[in-house]
Amino acid sequence: EAAVTQSPRNKVAVTGGKVTLSCNQTNNHNNMYWYRQDTGHGLRLIHYSYGAGSTEKGDIPDGYKASRPSQENFSLILELATPSQTSVYFCASGGDLSQNTLYFGAGTRLSVL
Amino acid sequence: GDSVTQTEGPVTVSESESLIINCTYSATSIAYPNLFWYVRYPGEGLQLLLKVITAGQKGSSRGFEATYNKETTSFHLQKASVQESDSAVYYCALGGGGKLIFGLGTTLQVQP
Repeated sequence: EAAVTQSPRNKVAVTGGKVTLSCNQTNNHNNMYWYRQDTGHGLRLIHYSYGAGSTEKGDIPDGYKASRPSQENFSLILELATPSQTSVYFCASGGDLSQNTLYFGAGTRLSVL
Repeated sequence: GDSVTQTEGPVTVSESESLIINCTYSATSIAYPNLFWYVRYPGEGLQLLLKVITAGQKGSSRGFEATYNKETTSFHLQKASVQESDSAVYYCALGGGGKLIFGLGTTLQVQP
């Protein structure tokens, strides 16, 4: 049974439109993360959260917002989507920061036309 | 900065052959980095394959193993005899402070 669930799995959006990617975890982890993966790049950290109500900027936050309304849910928001945001997005959760082990969802493939 | 470099793929091997995927790291801002190998099978998310948190130690899982070598800043992934089901994308990652820094990933194709 999947412990980190992302929705939608696939999304086609128009340039300038608003996109919300959702992530739910049942691991009871405090920490949650959003990464994107593109050809020629490893996974790059966009935003992360240490708990409900908190969000932090990762390495490539420009053009993205994040929301952590509860322990279980972490959303990534593209207010004005651009074609450069076409990518595969991964959500992850993690527990003890000293261990660093993350548990990933299956990914969301986003195409911005 | 902190970074991870791994074998550029795709890597193609025949079933029952041995495998090595190289990984080297630079951890300039992380005092005691943890090292990981994650694997992504088609249609699935990344999952942890193995991790080592102490230099000099070896991690192993599903026939794969990797040794954390602080002197050479390496964490190469090895398997003595691969199976077709090992076909996937393998990511080396460096961890510190609750965040992970990933390599580009290495696609492994195992031919029957």
